Amino acid sequence: KAGVTQTPRYLIKTRGQQVTLSCSPISGHRSVSWYQQTPGQGLQFLFEYFSETQRNKGNFPGRFSGRQFSNSRSEMNVSTLELGDSALYLCASSSREGTDTQYFGPGTRLTVL
Amino acid sequence: AQSVTQLGSHVSVSEGALVLLRCNYSSSVPPYLFWYVQYPNQGLQLLLKYTSAATLVKGINGFEAEFKKSETSFHLTKPSAHMSDAAEYFCAVTRTSGTYKYIFGTGTRLKVLA
Repeated sequence: KAGVTQTPRYLIKTRGQQVTLSCSPISGHRSVSWYQQTPGQGLQFLFEYFSETQRNKGNFPGRFSGRQFSNSRSEMNVSTLELGDSALYLCASSSREGTDTQYFGPGTRLTVL
Repeated sequence: AQSVTQLGSHVSVSEGALVLLRCNYSSSVPPYLFWYVQYPNQGLQLLLKYTSAATLVKGINGFEAEFKKSETSFHLTKPSAHMSDAAEYFCAVTRTSGTYKYIFGTGTRLKVLA
């Protein structure tokens, strides 16, 4: 079974721009979660989608948004980028929401200049 | 609310020595606990998980962890460290009351000395 894939792997943007990151979960998995990882804050939960519905949301500003498609693929969008948005963005999928094991993708490294 | 505390952001051990990475949790409901490993420029890989079955959980690469309710701990151990074990390790808890989301610890970077 193919693992979780994330595209692109690396991205460089400038302040004020917007960015869209993509995540394809493991086949058959319906839950996708997004995390932001930075050296200072560690792993922080952004949101979780299950069957195209956002089920949980972390404490991030409204500039961070996401969606999930009927094939379970998910996208995350960050508008009006700030320098502090530079991070590794990780996507994780699981077969169902809640307590099931999460399987992580390799991440997208976003650098904001 | 649930939380996870990993004691020691950096741990160094000699090759062949015991690895002990500490994780304490706080939870008002029975938790599910996980250990993940992250190698440079990669995502997180599941090492092992506790889901209320056996309290001693064996994972990949020779790692194991023991759930101790009385101590609210879930420490990760490996009898003999290998150079390839150098990575960052994360403890996580889930099964929050009402809503389900993973809470990760701040991570412990393991260095293995030759």
